[in-house]
Amino acid sequence: DTEVTQTPKHLVMGMTNKKSLKCEQHMGHRAMYWYKQKAKKPPELMFVYSYEKLSINESVPSRFSPECPNSSLLNLHLHALQPEDSALYLCASSRPDTHYGYTFGSGTRLTVV
Amino acid sequence: QQPVQSPQAVILREGEDAVINCSSSKALYSVHWYRQKHGEAPVFLMILLKGGEQKGHEKISASFNEKKQQSSLYLTASQLSYSGTYFCGTPGGTSYGKLTFGQGTILTVHP
Repeated sequence: DTEVTQTPKHLVMGMTNKKSLKCEQHMGHRAMYWYKQKAKKPPELMFVYSYEKLSINESVPSRFSPECPNSSLLNLHLHALQPEDSALYLCASSRPDTHYGYTFGSGTRLTVV
Repeated sequence: QQPVQSPQAVILREGEDAVINCSSSKALYSVHWYRQKHGEAPVFLMILLKGGEQKGHEKISASFNEKKQQSSLYLTASQLSYSGTYFCGTPGGTSYGKLTFGQGTILTVHP
């Protein structure tokens, strides 16, 4: 299995809702990432998990809360989001080594209304 | 700090060649290259390491000049399937995790 699976593919939520994005990989990768991508822009790093521990938080607002329950799963909990948070949220995984590339999931297209 | 890519966009006919450049203002230990088609996930193409080692796609080549802090991606005999946005990515130092992407180069290949 060489894929990163993200669910849901599309999500529309109100500013008072609570929702979660899910990401799963079975490649044995011990580094997992959340990126945010706006239209016609590059992906921007949000969080990095290494061996199931949060290692990098790129000053992301607390309305985004990551969780790594085990080595295969990564969640992103969303609460009280703003319309400007609408974007494509990408999950990626890799070996915890600078010599390997990332495998990205196809993303969750989030719209905040 | 974000690497800088050039050109911002390239339009080709099938069979033509293209070069995409990526430069950084800080020391580079490795450079990643990805391609993203519209509405799809970025796909890993290649990683270039200090010392000249390359790992990645067989039909795409790249160079890495550590002294100039630059990398170039060479797309030869382009095919329609090469169309997409190409991103270079540079790690934050020698530790993994903090991969920062350039602004992207849009490549369009016409028949």
